[in-house]
Amino acid sequence: AQSVTQPDIHITVSEGASLELRCNYSYGATPYLFWYVQSPGQGLQLLLKYFSGDTLVQGIKGFEAEFKRSQSSFNLRKPSVHWSDAAEYFCAVGTNTDKLIFGTGTRLQVFP
Amino acid sequence: DADVTQTPRNRITKTGKRIMLECSQTKGHDRMYWYRQDPGLGLRLIYYSFDVKDINKGEISDGYSVSRQAQAKFSLSLESAIPNQTALYFCATSDPPGATGANVLTFGAGSRLTVL
Repeated sequence: AQSVTQPDIHITVSEGASLELRCNYSYGATPYLFWYVQSPGQGLQLLLKYFSGDTLVQGIKGFEAEFKRSQSSFNLRKPSVHWSDAAEYFCAVGTNTDKLIFGTGTRLQVFP
Repeated sequence: DADVTQTPRNRITKTGKRIMLECSQTKGHDRMYWYRQDPGLGLRLIYYSFDVKDINKGEISDGYSVSRQAQAKFSLSLESAIPNQTALYFCATSDPPGATGANVLTFGAGSRLTVL
């Protein structure tokens, strides 16, 4: 069965520090992979997606993610975190039944 | 105006009451979804609809029903609410995958439901 694991429930970083949020997936075929961000009181917004091609994908707000098939991972990165990046981040995998399976989320806290 | 609008945004109700959460969209998307978010559990799919005449159960459909009144409207009902249905509910829409693969979802702002 398809699944998505986000091992880190809560991450705290200082403003200006680099960030990496981990995501591992289980899926038998070529995955479609997504990162969404949820700011407090808001719905989810798409940060970036991977469908095929270049394994390093760029998204909005300075985020990027790298698809590593050998590790079944799609980690999200940002070189320098801003206080406004504090939010909850969800990784998701698209399945062949056209539904998304979401991870449990990682809450990011940013200290000044 | 938001592309995907959910009403109400917040609702407190009592056990046994019937509740309807409504979703409307201006994206022109055929596909609509209802998800439930619980702390530590992420988002779980309740129901989804690929067009007006198509309704499908998701992974946690028990205790819920839906109605697709039009392409732009998809409502979620709790016939007899219970406390463990207290959660944040999201409606989402998408186009078919087409040449780009899987769906890209557009989410509403959420409806927070509390069942006492």
